Amino acid sequence: EVQLVESGGDLVQPGGSLRLSCAASGFTFSSYWMSWVRQAPGKGLEWVANIKQDGSEKYYVDSVKGRFTISRDNAKSSLYLQMNSLRAEDTAVYYCARIDFGASGPGDWYFALWGRGTLVTVSS
Amino acid sequence: DIQMTQSPSSLSASVGDRVTITCRTSQSITRYFNWYQQKPGEAPKVLIYGASSLQSGVPSRFSGSGSGTVYTLTISSLQPEDSATYYCQQSHSLPITFGQGTRLEIK
Repeated sequence: EVQLVESGGDLVQPGGSLRLSCAASGFTFSSYWMSWVRQAPGKGLEWVANIKQDGSEKYYVDSVKGRFTISRDNAKSSLYLQMNSLRAEDTAVYYCARIDFGASGPGDWYFALWGRGTLVTVSS
Repeated sequence: DIQMTQSPSSLSASVGDRVTITCRTSQSITRYFNWYQQKPGEAPKVLIYGASSLQSGVPSRFSGSGSGTVYTLTISSLQPEDSATYYCQQSHSLPITFGQGTRLEIK
């Protein structure tokens, strides 16, 4: 079965750290760009980070730059998000997503496959 | 950053109605534009990519159109299972941005 399963979400104090994992199965993980997208409770979707197939390119939303690090282990078909210096505003469900490309140019891509998400709560 | 203005923020419609949701972007995004559906407690699911391409497995009552800075999602004949929140998203440039969502309720 083609799926993504996130884990690692927890309650953490402000300033703390957490590492999220995403296990992929049913497809060739090393062939895809991957992403993290988050959703604060009752709010909309916010893109967090992207990583290229070989890990050579990584991109982040400004609000997490310098605090979060996206990485991957293609041998283990796994995606990670290391989160440091956590803030209350980082509280959210974090989704792992696979990026698929259309045929209409370099910007023609979308989040084709999503995990069920893992909840990160930053609170004292 | 490309700003996304989605409207309406919520709507209520009856089974069989034709429903349209609109998203306006702060700059032209060359049809690099996607629509997602999210039901309560579930992950989002892509409906439309590249402004008008229907994702495999998505019912044909869903369609997308638009160009430049204005894009629309249309449900041709609303079904009870279409009750959800719908999000637009641009993939033209970083940072990737989403609309604020449209909550669709079935009367």
